[in-house]
Amino acid sequence: DSGVTQTPKHLITATGQRVTLRCSPRSGDLSVYWYQQSLDQGLQFLIQYYNGEERAKGNILERFSAQQFPDLHSELNLSSLELGDSALYFCASSVEDSNHITDTQYFGPGTRLTVL
Amino acid sequence: AQSVSQHNHHVILSEAASLELGCNYSYGGTVNLFWYVQYPGQHLQLLLKYFSGDPLVKGIKGFEAEFIKSKFSFNLRKPSVQWSDTAEYFCAVLYNTDKLIFGTGTRLQVFP
Repeated sequence: DSGVTQTPKHLITATGQRVTLRCSPRSGDLSVYWYQQSLDQGLQFLIQYYNGEERAKGNILERFSAQQFPDLHSELNLSSLELGDSALYFCASSVEDSNHITDTQYFGPGTRLTVL
Repeated sequence: AQSVSQHNHHVILSEAASLELGCNYSYGGTVNLFWYVQYPGQHLQLLLKYFSGDPLVKGIKGFEAEFIKSKFSFNLRKPSVQWSDTAEYFCAVLYNTDKLIFGTGTRLQVFP
């Protein structure tokens, strides 16, 4: 158990809908990362938040957004869902020191999203 | 562009065979290197990591990896695999402390 929790485990929805995925980082970790794992694209970095602020952006679509709350949990919002958004969405967390050197990322169990 | 290559997409071995999975990365700057494992139906777990120091890194479950800077490689090894090592293995590279790029993964199947 990595200490990172994600809810829900599974999510089935229809095209055009909007969903929210939730992640709670390990205790003490300030950084949260979101990843998408799909069969055709592999594992891709979406976005990183550090202590409530957006730190880095990867291959995140404009239909997707994320935020990190004061209690450090994060939510990934996916809207106008398409069939191709079906994937496993992972959250990871890490501790960063004052020099912003990223430590090891610990992954949550993922949320499996199925868009029908 | 920053990229990570895992050339072995699918590896099939018998128990007790030795394992080496290749990982090469682009870019010549400072990198931190990781190997993650994903067992069937489970989430990613860290096997080992390299930040600096001894380029031969030992991880959990008998795995090790060697960082060869001149070859931009970070190959994963295990002298004798077990059936329980059946999983997907991902190499990942952290560029400029900013973005973690994953390889496409190598599926390992170990037969008793």
